[in-house]
Amino acid sequence: QVQLVESGGGLVKPGGSLRLSCGASGFTFSDYYMSWIRQAPGKGLEWVSYIGPSGGTIFHADSVKGRFTISRDNAKNSLYLQMDSLRAEDTAVYYCATERGGWIDDWGQGTLVTVSS
Amino acid sequence: EIVMTQSPATLSVSPGERAALSCRASQSVSINLAWYQRKPGQAPRLLIYGASTRATGVPARFSGSGSGTEFTLTISSLQSEDFAVYYCQQYDNWPRTFGQGTKVEIK
Repeated sequence: QVQLVESGGGLVKPGGSLRLSCGASGFTFSDYYMSWIRQAPGKGLEWVSYIGPSGGTIFHADSVKGRFTISRDNAKNSLYLQMDSLRAEDTAVYYCATERGGWIDDWGQGTLVTVSS
Repeated sequence: EIVMTQSPATLSVSPGERAALSCRASQSVSINLAWYQRKPGQAPRLLIYGASTRATGVPARFSGSGSGTEFTLTISSLQSEDFAVYYCQQYDNWPRTFGQGTKVEIK
């Protein structure tokens, strides 16, 4: 059974940094594309970042480009999102997710990031 | 970026009735469209991909149709567990984009 467990969320001041982690189990992590998706309070779902199985393919949404970095460690079955220069509009629940053919097969339960002074 | 527009925002339906949810893309996405169900406090659940292929374990009362820019999710006979928010998502282009959701509520 696929399990995705996010951690690392919390309260941070504008301009600060956070690193989100996602521990994966129940599937062959190194075979899967992985994504981070977020949902701000009262807003819709937004795809943030995407990484290929070997880490060679990476996309970031324009809203986070240059500030967020997605990475993975296949030996540790872990996905990461380094978030720098955080802004109030980055406040959201961040979900780790597996992607197979462009759609999301499995989602974690999410971790809340709050950017506020 | 491809904009996905869902309608209506809220759909009031009685149990046992049929519900049809619409999703429109700002440009063609072929059949590269997925539908998700989301209940309060839970992560979204994949229902449909490829516009019409049901995901594993999804009941047959859920069906998807359409291609290009117009898509429909149909729930043939609403059960109590189907009252939720439904999202469409295109994966024809990066960035992947979601619709804003349709809430299906009990009438």
